[in-house]
Amino acid sequence: GEDVEQSLFLSVREGDSSVINCTYTDSSSTYLYWYKQEPGAGLQLLTYIFSNMDMKQDQRLTVLLNKKDKHLSLRIADTQTGDSAIYFCAETSDTGRRALTFGSGTRLQVQP
Amino acid sequence: NAGVTQTPKFRVLKTGQSMTLLCAQDMNHEYMYWYRQDPGMGLRLIHYSVGEGTTAKGEVPDGYNVSRLKKQNFLLGLESAAPSQTSVYFCASRGLSINEQFFGPGTRLTVL
Repeated sequence: GEDVEQSLFLSVREGDSSVINCTYTDSSSTYLYWYKQEPGAGLQLLTYIFSNMDMKQDQRLTVLLNKKDKHLSLRIADTQTGDSAIYFCAETSDTGRRALTFGSGTRLQVQP
Repeated sequence: NAGVTQTPKFRVLKTGQSMTLLCAQDMNHEYMYWYRQDPGMGLRLIHYSVGEGTTAKGEVPDGYNVSRLKKQNFLLGLESAAPSQTSVYFCASRGLSINEQFFGPGTRLTVL
């Protein structure tokens, strides 16, 4: 079945760049997403990328997609303490139920 | 627009009790979803609906039932709650030609 994997934890210093990685197995994935979840809160969509794109940039966020290796990354430039949260990678196809398959999340800790 | 709303926000049940979680969306979306989130895990799909009057099973449907009698509402029922159903439940919706799923704020359920 479909599977999305992420590393569990990342710690960076304030002002550094953070890179969160994700791998997926579904070849029919059409869209890949990054969500942010703060403690006790819901999910906030940060950005998403269409599978025929290699890169997408949105202010401090850069998403890189290597479709051949099924590898997705999220780079956060100039990481701030407010970026501390859990980041989820998710994928979906553009047919059928269009539900999201999530990774288990990467906890980003930003040290002052 | 209220977006996606969920009621209740919190609930404590005893084993064997029943309850219904309500999800409502005011965006005229065709697709609606129920996910559950457990500690250290991403969201997993319980049930989904691709339109009014239709429902289908996701990855973890056991112990739950759903109904979508009106397009804007998606109900999740627990007939006989078990401690293993202690979780945070998220509802989401999306339109047919929209790439984003919109999430509700979540319902935190504890089964004692």
